[in-house]
Amino acid sequence: DGGITQSPKYLFRKEGQNVTLSCEQNLNHDAMYWYRQDPGQGLRLIYYSQIVNDFQKGDIAEGYSVSREKKESFPLTVTSAQKNPTAFYLCASTQIPGQGRYGYTFGSGTRLTVV
Amino acid sequence: GIQVEQSPPDLILQEGANSTLRCNFSDSVNNLQWFHQNPWGQLINLFYIPSGTKQNGRLSATTVATERYSLLYISSSQTTDSGVYFCAVERWNTGNQFYFGTGTSLTVIP
Repeated sequence: DGGITQSPKYLFRKEGQNVTLSCEQNLNHDAMYWYRQDPGQGLRLIYYSQIVNDFQKGDIAEGYSVSREKKESFPLTVTSAQKNPTAFYLCASTQIPGQGRYGYTFGSGTRLTVV
Repeated sequence: GIQVEQSPPDLILQEGANSTLRCNFSDSVNNLQWFHQNPWGQLINLFYIPSGTKQNGRLSATTVATERYSLLYISSSQTTDSGVYFCAVERWNTGNQFYFGTGTSLTVIP
């Protein structure tokens, strides 16, 4: 079955460490997105990419970095510059950027905790 | 960005009851979707509905784009309907970004 796979489901980070969250899709979608969700809140956009080797900052990109070397993959690195990284991270994709008529598909998320 | 407000923030229903969730947005949009987030965090797309009315089983949604609101109806609620319902909107000239509301947390009790 097609879908989005995020790994790991749970991740613990020590202060000062960089960690990378994986997002892989086999839906042949063009656009991929990273969102952050804090308790009791909606989702906020970190980064998005509409095409390989190109990506754009969202509303809260500071302290994060991404790459899009392959259409299927859009990993997110949470750097030590992100002062409050504890959150639930969701990856999404859609086939036609900006239209969404096929719907946005979300992965099952990664819960990151700073210890 | 576009402001998205959802109401009510919390809702508790007896199994079998009906409910209406509302989403107001501050500007014209090209895309509106309703999502259900289950207790494990998975977001499921319920409706793509920038305008008009759609139905899928016990769920239906209506968007009145000219008045900038959307409604999600849940009939004969079941415990499996519990979770958080999000409305998200998109306008294509704003960088293809989805703006999410803060959600309605629904608990259905047996």
